[in-house]
Amino acid sequence: GAGVSQSPRYKVAKRGQDVALRCDPISGHVSLFWYQQALGQGPEFLTYFQNEAQLDKSGLPSDRFFAERPEGSVSTLKIQRTQQEDSAVYLCASSPYRVPGAYEQYFGPGTRLTVT
Amino acid sequence: QQQVKQSPQSLIVQKGGISIINCAYENTAFDYFPWYQQFPGKGPALLIAIRPDVSEKKEGRFTISFNKSAKQFSLHIMDSQPGDSATYFCAAMLTGSARQLTFGSGTQLTVLP
Repeated sequence: GAGVSQSPRYKVAKRGQDVALRCDPISGHVSLFWYQQALGQGPEFLTYFQNEAQLDKSGLPSDRFFAERPEGSVSTLKIQRTQQEDSAVYLCASSPYRVPGAYEQYFGPGTRLTVT
Repeated sequence: QQQVKQSPQSLIVQKGGISIINCAYENTAFDYFPWYQQFPGKGPALLIAIRPDVSEKKEGRFTISFNKSAKQFSLHIMDSQPGDSATYFCAAMLTGSARQLTFGSGTQLTVLP
């Protein structure tokens, strides 16, 4: 079946522009995560959804970052007034949710954001 | 605070050799430890994972060794192949919470033909 897809794959934004990054999770996956991966580093957690509820947004670096998942499937990560330090790969992952078990997270290919 | 420390940063191995990557964690509440493989331009792909109630798990050429008392775990890649050349990340999770992954900083593995 189809995996996690993300669009666009590449995005170049001028400093101060707003951007929106889209994630299509694996069908039926309850949990959805966003991570930020700086060049040469491991991914860092940004936010987590269970269905449409955003249960954890502790990793969002500033109030310029906003994420939503209004119908419990597709999610959008929005960054307002982009800064150069926002340049990174933004990864989306989805996971089925069962207690216990189903801890595996499946990642999309990421969106590489470059802020000039 | 770096909760998961990974070493080495880079590793070069001859074809057929054993690749060993190590990770240490600080939070004793972590209870799920996966390893991910990432190729350039791709997202991380789950390789193998372990829970702390076992000391070793093997899947094909990949083995995780887990030492709960030392708060360490390692990935062993047996009979390493050039196609294994990639970046490897260890990670840790608190399964009772939001289940976000805390990643190590990565190891770039090069397997020479």
